[in-house]
This record gives sequence, structure tokens and C-alpha cells, in this order.
Amino acid sequence: DQQVKQNSPSLSVQEGRISILNCDYTNSMFDYFLWYKKYPAEGPTFLISISSIKDKNEDGRFTVFLNKSAKHLSLHIVPSQPGDSAVYFCAASPPGTYKYIFGTGTRLKVLA
Amino acid sequence: EPEVTQTPSHQVTQMGQEVILRCVPISNHLYFYWYRQILGQKVEFLVSFYNNEISEKSEIFDDQFSVERPDGSNFTLKIRSTKLEDSAMYFCASSDLGLALSNEQFFGPGTRLTVL
Repeated sequence: DQQVKQNSPSLSVQEGRISILNCDYTNSMFDYFLWYKKYPAEGPTFLISISSIKDKNEDGRFTVFLNKSAKHLSLHIVPSQPGDSAVYFCAASPPGTYKYIFGTGTRLKVLA
Repeated sequence: EPEVTQTPSHQVTQMGQEVILRCVPISNHLYFYWYRQILGQKVEFLVSFYNNEISEKSEIFDDQFSVERPDGSNFTLKIRSTKLEDSAMYFCASSDLGLALSNEQFFGPGTRLTVL
């Protein structure tokens, strides 16, 4: 089941610069997308979400972009901070369902 | 800040034994979920639960699995006869809206299940 894919297992960014995490999906029926952050030994923590009727949602340093024609979403973090170092999962929700389908995650390391 | 809690944090069991993983969802939430993450793999949906019944389950959630809300606060996942491949991190989550639209699921810290 590869409906949600994060092709970059890891990413390193200098503090203060922009982090861009990418996610691709195959099911055009997904109607809601989310990004979660996960620290070791903790559960995923919600970051930001976007409905399929939008192409951008912004919350402080975090912005999610959705390109439905390309079936691609991205998370921009600017400026990146060392505390942002974590594994980031994108997730998608099919319509009329209660579940999230997660990607494999991207480990972000922000270098001081 | 309200949070989802899970016990135990780590459970070690012998193959074939029954285990019960416990969760206390956020108190005013009505929808409950279990996910699992096998080491090095992605987080996978197992089951959702609302109004004392299963709303949806994945193909992973076979007859060996069951869920229950035995009282007003706990939500449990039972694995009747554990297999080696059940070893994973199990996450409980809860939400206050069912269809995930404009809503997020809040996750607990997880229970690491090790089957020997």
C-alpha cells in the first residue's frame, strides 16, 4: 500500500533556513491532508492540515502547499530551528472514512 | 493541556499469549483509534471506534484483535494470541469529530509491544 509516499527519508538544513518536506499521493479522492511531527519515544503530534479545496494553509512558521493536479503536498518550515528536528509524517484521509493513511516519514535535522 | 495516555509504555510477552493495551483518550472526545508502527515502517491504521462499536477496520485487524471501551474513560486493544510479527509500537488516538475533516486526531505516546 503506497498511497502516500515520502521519498526523502532524511533532510538536513541549517538553522534559520527553509525546510521543505515533500509528500506524494496516488488517490485523487483524498480530501484532507495533515502533517504530524514525531519525536523519539513520543506519539505523533499534529502540526498543520489542509483541505483538498485549498492550495495553501499557513500557521506561523509552518505552511502546507497542496498541488492536486500533481498529487503533491509539501510542508515549508521557515525559519527552521534546532527544536524542529524530528520525523515528519504526512497523512491523508479518504472521504467518508475515519482513518489516516500515513507516509513513511522524513527525518529532519536542523543544524545549529 | 489534555492528552491521550497509554499504559504500559513497554510490554514484553511470549508468542501465543494474550495482551491488553490500554489507553485513556481525551475526556470529551468521542472517536477512538488504534494505529501501529512496526520498526522502520510507517504508521498503519488498525481500527476506529465510535458509540461503542467499530466504525472501520483495516485488513490487519483480524479476528485476533478486539477493542473495547469497558468504562467511561478507558479504551483497550486486545490481541488474543500474539505472533512475532505483532511486535510494534501501538498508538492510541482520539478525536472529537468523526470524519477527520477540519479535525485532527490526538495521539498517545504509544506502547511498545515485544513478542518473543
